[in-house]
Amino acid sequence: EVQLVESGGGLVQRGGSLRLSCAASGFTVSSNYMSWVRQAPGKGLEWVSIVYSGGGTYYADSVKGRFTISRDNSKNTLYLQMNSLRAEDTAVYYCARAEDYDSRGAFDSWGQGALVTVSS
Amino acid sequence: DIQMTQSPSSVSASVGDRVTITCRASQGISRWLAWYQQKPGKAPKLLIYAASSLQSGVPSRFSGSGSGTDFTLIISSLQPEDFATYYCQQANSFPLTFGGGTKVEIK
Repeated sequence: EVQLVESGGGLVQRGGSLRLSCAASGFTVSSNYMSWVRQAPGKGLEWVSIVYSGGGTYYADSVKGRFTISRDNSKNTLYLQMNSLRAEDTAVYYCARAEDYDSRGAFDSWGQGALVTVSS
Repeated sequence: DIQMTQSPSSVSASVGDRVTITCRASQGISRWLAWYQQKPGKAPKLLIYAASSLQSGVPSRFSGSGSGTDFTLIISSLQPEDFATYYCQQANSFPLTFGGGTKVEIK
């Protein structure tokens, strides 16, 4: 069974840093496209970042230069390092898998989400 | 960036009703469109990928169509468990973008 479990969320001051983790089971993170998507309280979904199976990465302009997506193949875990956090980064952060992204372009499995709150 | 515009933003419907949600892209995205369902406090769930392909395990009352800039999600006969918010997402180019959501409420 495919499962994604996020951790690392919490309360952080503006300008601070936080690292989210997403532990995967039932599949291999490095063989799939993996992404982070966030949702501010009461708002819609916003794509944050993606890492290709080949290792390439893309970021939303709103986080470029501040956030870094990475993975640890030995731990089968995806990460999101978030630096210089702003109030507008407050959201639930979901990790998501895109199996066969090149032909589907969609995220078929999602974690339960991790809440990040940035205080000012 | 490609803007995704969903309509309506909310719809009130009864069990058994046919519900239609539309999604318009600001530029052509071929068939690179997915639909998700999200219930309060839960993660999104993939319903449709590549505009019209039904994700495994999703009931056949859900269907998607369209290509280019205009897309449609249809729920043929609304069930109690379908009351939720629905999002479209384009995967034609980065940054990936989502529509603003359509909340399907009980009439």
